[in-house]
Amino acid sequence: ILNVEQSPQSLHVQEGDSTNFTCSFPSSNFYALHWYRWETAKSPEALFVMTLNGDEKKKGRISATLNTKEGYSYLYIKGSQPEDSATYLCAFCTGNQFYFGTGTSLTVIP
Amino acid sequence: EAQVTQNPRYLITVTGKKLTVTCSQNMNHEYMSWYRQDPGLGLRQIYYSMNVEVTDKGDVPEGYKVSRKEKRNFPLILESPSPNQTSLYFCASSLLAGVSEQYFGPGTRLTVT
Repeated sequence: ILNVEQSPQSLHVQEGDSTNFTCSFPSSNFYALHWYRWETAKSPEALFVMTLNGDEKKKGRISATLNTKEGYSYLYIKGSQPEDSATYLCAFCTGNQFYFGTGTSLTVIP
Repeated sequence: EAQVTQNPRYLITVTGKKLTVTCSQNMNHEYMSWYRQDPGLGLRQIYYSMNVEVTDKGDVPEGYKVSRKEKRNFPLILESPSPNQTSLYFCASSLLAGVSEQYFGPGTRLTVT
């Protein structure tokens, strides 16, 4: 069983704060790293797909970086808003199989 | 509208009664996958399919079957459901395996008594 770890498990921040989460994964058999946003009572929605070491992706106030050699990815949210409240999942892909972390639950307090 | 649909959305059944959860996508995606979500655990992959007639086991395939006879459909079959298969199930699809983002269906909440 392949281990993907996310930290912290949960996070409460004030509106306007910037925050970041970590996803750790094995440095071998890497094919891609996915980030998803999962709101309560909805389905996970894709944020980023990252494939190359050193990749940086950005979508609005959310960005992500990737280090495949040391096996981690960071997700950053700049100026958090209440609508950013969700669970953020990362998934390690070996090419055809996916291994998900348990997620970081973010609550943004107005 | 591009989407992944699952049916039923909710199901309560009894141990041993065969059931099928359907999954369909209208995006001409090659890759489809089934996951289960249990409290305290990340999404775990049950089965995946790289293309029509090509399926393979994920991390937790025991007690499940799948088929991919058409590109758009990827049903999940529980031949003899047991209480430990009570879970939230998601179907997902992507254009290509790994390098394309996955689109998730709305989920199926299954309870086996």
